[in-house]
Amino acid sequence: DAKTTQPTSMDCAEGRAANLPCNHSTISGNEYVYWYRQIHSQGPQYIIHGLKNNETNEMASLIITEDRKSSTLILPHATLRDTAVYYCIVYDSGTYKYIFGTGTRLKVLA
Amino acid sequence: NAGVMQNPRHLVRRRGQEARLRCSPMKGHSHVYWYRQLPEEGLKFMVYLQKENIIDESGMPKERFSAEFPKEGPSILRIQQVVRGDSAAYFCASSPPAGGNNEQFFGPGTRLTVL
Repeated sequence: DAKTTQPTSMDCAEGRAANLPCNHSTISGNEYVYWYRQIHSQGPQYIIHGLKNNETNEMASLIITEDRKSSTLILPHATLRDTAVYYCIVYDSGTYKYIFGTGTRLKVLA
Repeated sequence: NAGVMQNPRHLVRRRGQEARLRCSPMKGHSHVYWYRQLPEEGLKFMVYLQKENIIDESGMPKERFSAEFPKEGPSILRIQQVVRGDSAAYFCASSPPAGGNNEQFFGPGTRLTVL
């Protein structure tokens, strides 16, 4: 079973920031939080990952709460091409496998 | 550097036939993972392989399904005597030798349709 819960769907206006929340209250100390997205049934695309600290790259920012029980993926200026299903995954380095939940379907509106 | 390659991209089989799905990992990657995705669902882990070894097959049905990753050549996911319920998208991912974190790179998938 997935160790994460996400809202089923969200809308965001084009050009605005999209904030996608994820709860992972049972995360353990050595588990990472990964974010992927899947555009129109293509293969999932890596976005960002983190362990404790907030992270930023050219695609997005990841904010992890101090207790690590939740995180937020931020797309700073959403475009229509960001419309996709976004998956938050807790990665267990002991099992080497991703457990996907059902993700959040983000629709960016013109 | 080519990404993860999967072929065929689309595969149609009749009930009872065999399906063979191929995955070529990224250069330098020695770990391969197979996932299955049913319509409107998230990806479900099936099997994790390293060269010539199956590490974890806990997500793979015990009958009709098998996977291999030989020393030379692509990884193969084989489904014998396919049934309509096998219709799904099958994704392969690869990663370099594991470290503390493990980004997986996904291929474009093979869409299997069983008639």
